[in-house]
Amino acid sequence: DIQMTQSPSSLSASVGDRVTITCRASQNIDTYLNWYHQKPGKAPKVLIYAASNLQNGVPSRFSGSGSGTDFTLTISSLQPGDFAIYYCQQSYDAPYTFGQGTKLEIK
Amino acid sequence: QVQLQQSGPGLVKPSQTLSLTCAISGDSVSSNTAAWNWIRQSPSRGLEWLARTYYRSNWQNNYAPSVKSRMTISVDTSKNQFSLQLNSVIPEDTAVYYCARSGDGRYDYWGQGTLVTVSS
Repeated sequence: DIQMTQSPSSLSASVGDRVTITCRASQNIDTYLNWYHQKPGKAPKVLIYAASNLQNGVPSRFSGSGSGTDFTLTISSLQPGDFAIYYCQQSYDAPYTFGQGTKLEIK
Repeated sequence: QVQLQQSGPGLVKPSQTLSLTCAISGDSVSSNTAAWNWIRQSPSRGLEWLARTYYRSNWQNNYAPSVKSRMTISVDTSKNQFSLQLNSVIPEDTAVYYCARSGDGRYDYWGQGTLVTVSS
């Protein structure tokens, strides 16, 4: 199975900050990389697909980049509703696997 | 708008069978472009994909190796729903179980989640 490793595991930031979360795959996955966030008691919600494409309805402050093994999710200006857990997920090879999550907390 | 509605018990005894159903509205379980998945989430294992079913001129089922020997995914086209059965459950199967739709590898619609506790 392809292993997905996120960093950092947790992050404290303030409203208005720019934050970046990194995801590394254990092998080349081209751009088959999706990003989600999850709020308490809710299912994950897809934000970015195919590494850099914004899912319909997702604010443009979210952006993704990368290819191969290294990827980043950037939030340009944190809003109160962005404090959540963020996950990456590879869709290159089954079983599709997720990273362990990055918890984004309010400073 | 696609909606997935999960149903099934929240408590299962060890060695028994966990059964969950996901009813689909706004799409068809027989869609030629979608796949229908079960994913679970626990503190120890994180988000773990379990199984999927999809129709591409015939039905295809795939399972995660970790549960393949104990799991069955099935479809009821008359009710536009799909189901999960996990046999011989153990306490480590305690998790929140989600159904989800995927098309091109991203899970774009999810059920509300069902916390299943394995305990006597």
